Order: sequence, then C-alpha cells, then structure tokens
Amino acid sequence: GAGVSQSPSNKVTEKGKDVELRCDPISGHTALYWYRQSLGQGLEFLIYFQGNSAPDKSGLPSDRFSAERTGGSVSTLTIQRTQQEDSAVYLCASSYGGDSGYGYTFGSGTRLTVV
Amino acid sequence: TQLLEQSPQFLSIQEGENLTVYCNSSSVFSSLQWYRQEPGEGPVLLVTVVTGGEVKKLKRLTFQFGDARKDSSLHITAAQPGDTGLYLCADGSGNTGKLIFGQGTTLQVKP
Repeated sequence: GAGVSQSPSNKVTEKGKDVELRCDPISGHTALYWYRQSLGQGLEFLIYFQGNSAPDKSGLPSDRFSAERTGGSVSTLTIQRTQQEDSAVYLCASSYGGDSGYGYTFGSGTRLTVV
Repeated sequence: TQLLEQSPQFLSIQEGENLTVYCNSSSVFSSLQWYRQEPGEGPVLLVTVVTGGEVKKLKRLTFQFGDARKDSSLHITAAQPGDTGLYLCADGSGNTGKLIFGQGTTLQVKP
C-alpha cells in the first residue's frame, strides 16, 4: 500500500482481556518496528522485525506482550491479560532496510484504552 | 543506555516568531533524525543528519548537528500555526535500524 496501515485506530478493552493490534507495512519494506507512546511523550521501542524474524525484542515490557510477522508483511502485536498501564498509542513503522539511515514511515497508530 | 534530552519540553509562541529547540545525547549520535508528529498521527521524518557540523535547511526549518555529534538544534523562522506539533529527535542504533527517541518538544503556534 501507499503507507503504513494500522488497525483498529482505537480500541477500548476491559482489564484482563486480550487484544490484537495489526500493522500492514509499506510493500517491499523488510524492516518493521513497534513502538509505544504514552500521552505527550516520546516513543518507547518494543520490537524489531527483519523479514519474519525478530532479532530484537528487548523492548517488550513483559511476557504478556508478543508479536509475530508473517509473509514478510503483516505484523500482529498481542497483549494478553491487559492492564491499565498498557493504555497508550501503539505505533508501527516500516523501513526499506534494517539500517537507521533509511528513516521510518509510521502508521497513525492504535490508541489502546484499558478500563 | 543512551539518553536523549530535548528542551524545552513545551513552547507556546505567536505566529511570526522564531524559535529553537534542542536535542542532547549522553553519547555520540550514530545518525540523528528529526520527526514532527501531529495529534492523532504518527511521526513524520523531517531530516537525517550524520556528519558533525552539518547544517540542513528545509524551507523555514534549519537543522544543525554539533561538531562533536552529541547535540543538535532545530530552528524555525517565522513560525506558522501549521508548524504546531510534537518535535522528536531520534538516534539510530547500529545496523538494526532501531531508533532511540527523545521525549519531544511540544510546539504550539498561535495565530
């Protein structure tokens, strides 16, 4: 597609439920990143994919968080047993290659609210 | 762990004024990127700087990279309401493309 697409754009869930967030990167971009952004704050790295592999998942806050990528394209971030502190905007970005010089193209994010 | 500090955290100015925001790192930058983020959207890349002392211009925006590659500034001339947003600096981390972001400067330009 023309840009990075994320769905849903907004998600309200009850504490303890599982949620899945989807990211559809730019076609041909091999690198995919998930970040989390709390209100008015900078971005916190979660996980990096190169193709279908995740060589860096050091930012995942706990074992309740997992992510996968299939076909070198779509990625899903899953949060199990959601907690109120998981409330944030989850941003996905893709890049032509796994090198910081390329810069990212971000999606518009999924705003997750845990009540 | 590298830390990026941005200042000021918040800036509110009138249309037509000039402003400068800063980004300082606890260690040498690999490659510095500046992004602007508008409410409800993801950040958009403005510029990448790599060489110490480098200056890049993007219309009314001037980006400077310190000689020691540990600091950077973004200067906006004659700010307009369309410049309103969150300005983020970020450093590339090795060959994974992972970026470390600062906390950002929120800029509000009033008409």
